[in-house]
Amino acid sequence: SYELTQPPSVSVSPGQTARITCSGDALPKQYAYWYQQKPGQAPVLVIYKDSERPSGIPERFSGSSSGTTVTLTISGVQAEDEADYYCQSADSSGTSPVVFGGGTKLTVL
Amino acid sequence: EVQLVESGGGLVQPGRSLRLSCAASGFTFDDYAMHWVRQAPGKGLEWVSGISWNSGSIGYADSVKGRFTISRDNAKNSLYLQMNSLRAEDTALYYCAKGEAVYYGSGSYFDYWGQGTLVTVSS
Repeated sequence: SYELTQPPSVSVSPGQTARITCSGDALPKQYAYWYQQKPGQAPVLVIYKDSERPSGIPERFSGSSSGTTVTLTISGVQAEDEADYYCQSADSSGTSPVVFGGGTKLTVL
Repeated sequence: EVQLVESGGGLVQPGRSLRLSCAASGFTFDDYAMHWVRQAPGKGLEWVSGISWNSGSIGYADSVKGRFTISRDNAKNSLYLQMNSLRAEDTALYYCAKGEAVYYGSGSYFDYWGQGTLVTVSS
């Protein structure tokens, strides 16, 4: 089955830039999406179609794509950004239309 | 304001059945695909099932195929998940999630989520 690979954890100090990667063979052909999940809360969409930001999401959140890797970048990280982040995409055959990465715990030091 | 409210979770013995419901409001329900996504305790997100706006296209994760059935009632703005032959590994918080398009399939993503309903499968 298709897999998306994320680092288990990323740590940054407040004000720095956090970069969370997601790798998958089909990412050159399929869009990626990113969700933020804080403890005890439902996930929130923060990036769609690789780099689009939904209304209400701060500008410090951005997304990019290069080959088989997509990246969520959080510029000027704030304490409130500490959360789990999940990428989501699909395989290229249609067999797995919705696949999540394993998640990355962002710690703000 | 979009609201998705799940219900129907609880403690159930292995092999038994449970039916989850999701009441939707704040948007035109029959204009969008809907999905179920689950999260086992302390684990990541796992897509369970999706259904297109008119129930014409339905999909399941391999882990639940043949045991779970998704359905919707557009007249009642409601989404359902019938779960049969439950296993311990089905224990999770089940989220109802709104798709961003009418169709279910590759490229689906979720712009609104409910708060989830907890299903615990244990003897």
